[in-house]
Amino acid sequence: AQSVTQLGSHVSVSEGALVLLRCNYSSSVPPYLFWYVQYPNQGLQLLLKYTSAATLVKGINGFEAEFKKSETSFHLTKPSAHMSDAAEYFCAVSPTPNAGGTSYGKLTFGQGTILTVHP
Amino acid sequence: DAGITQSPRYKITETGRQVTLMCHQTWSHSYMFWYRQDLGHGLRLIYYSAAADITDKGEVPDGYVVSRSKTENFPLTLESATRSQTSVYFCASSELAGPQHFGDGTRLSIL
Repeated sequence: AQSVTQLGSHVSVSEGALVLLRCNYSSSVPPYLFWYVQYPNQGLQLLLKYTSAATLVKGINGFEAEFKKSETSFHLTKPSAHMSDAAEYFCAVSPTPNAGGTSYGKLTFGQGTILTVHP
Repeated sequence: DAGITQSPRYKITETGRQVTLMCHQTWSHSYMFWYRQDLGHGLRLIYYSAAADITDKGEVPDGYVVSRSKTENFPLTLESATRSQTSVYFCASSELAGPQHFGDGTRLSIL
């Protein structure tokens, strides 16, 4: 079974500072990995995804994440935080098509990290 | 406009009542999903569907029923609502190799 752990339920940064949101996964084979963002009273929006191509993945709004197989991590970073980045962020894992079975496409989410940005 | 819509956005009902949450997508995506979001649990998969007339259980299916007679619709029914089913429910859709697209959610309160 796959699982995701997001370290830190709340992260607070100053505007202009580095954003680092941590995600570690557990999977018997390398999975697909995703970061989603959720603004208040809205659904989740995809920030970026890793699907076994380049290990450094660039997403929208200046975010990027690096897949590190040896560390089973997929941390999300942004060099300079903006006030509009304040939201809840979710890391998620999915089996790959090669995994077989009927579980492909099903996402398992971490518990989320609320990012606060101070002026 | 293309997208995924959920209705109602807000619903209050009483224990024991049947309630149906609707989900409609205009992309003709094969896959559709229902999640619930609760504090401390993130999003948990209730049911999913790989195509019309094909559905399967997720992590927390007890007390829920789904159907998918048409590709674009994926209703979720609580046959006899309980207070533990108070939550925010999200529907999502995707193609086989694509990311999931989420609706704006239904906030359900069961009194």
